[in-house]
Amino acid sequence: AQSVTQLGSHVSVSEGALVLLRCNYSSSVPPYLFWYVQYPNQGLQLLLKYTTGATLVKGINGFEAEFKKSETSFHLTKPSAHMSDAAEYFCAVRTNYGGSQGNLIFGKGTKLSVKP
Amino acid sequence: DAGVIQSPRHEVTEMGQEVTLRCKPISGHDYLFWYRQTMMRGLELLIYFNNNVPIDDSGMPEDRFSAKMPNASFSTLKIQPSEPRDSAVYFCASQRQGLTDTQYFGPGTRLTVL
Repeated sequence: AQSVTQLGSHVSVSEGALVLLRCNYSSSVPPYLFWYVQYPNQGLQLLLKYTTGATLVKGINGFEAEFKKSETSFHLTKPSAHMSDAAEYFCAVRTNYGGSQGNLIFGKGTKLSVKP
Repeated sequence: DAGVIQSPRHEVTEMGQEVTLRCKPISGHDYLFWYRQTMMRGLELLIYFNNNVPIDDSGMPEDRFSAKMPNASFSTLKIQPSEPRDSAVYFCASQRQGLTDTQYFGPGTRLTVL
């Protein structure tokens, strides 16, 4: 069965500091991996996704994530946090396994706070 | 494209009343998902459809919940009778058929059951 673990339900950084949000997945087959962001009172919006090819994926708003198969990780980073990055971030995995085509498995989310 | 459209955006009702939430997916998308989000339980998948057919409804909490997709451009999630513990934000999402395709979320319906 697939699963996603996001380490840290809350992360706080100072403006201009590095953002690192951790995501580990469990999958017996090659996964497709996604990061979504949810701003207050809004739906989830895709930040970036890994499907195949280059393991370092760049997304919107300066975020990027690296797929590391050996570590079963897909951590999200941004070199310099901005106040507007304050939101909740969700990691998700999808595989073609067990008839679950199309279904995303979401982590529990990490709420990012950015201090001035 | 207008994106996924949900209505109403906010719903306040009294316990025991029937509630119907509506969703219009993005045109051409084959999958439609209904999620519920609460502080306590996070984001939960309730049910999803492929080509208007329900594929997995194992996340539907009780028989009080039902979902339909009569055609490719419309889906409803109904709660009858509603209870205070149903208070949550309900999201609809849609995507194309491919495994690598993005799931697009609507803005959500905030339901409050008094």
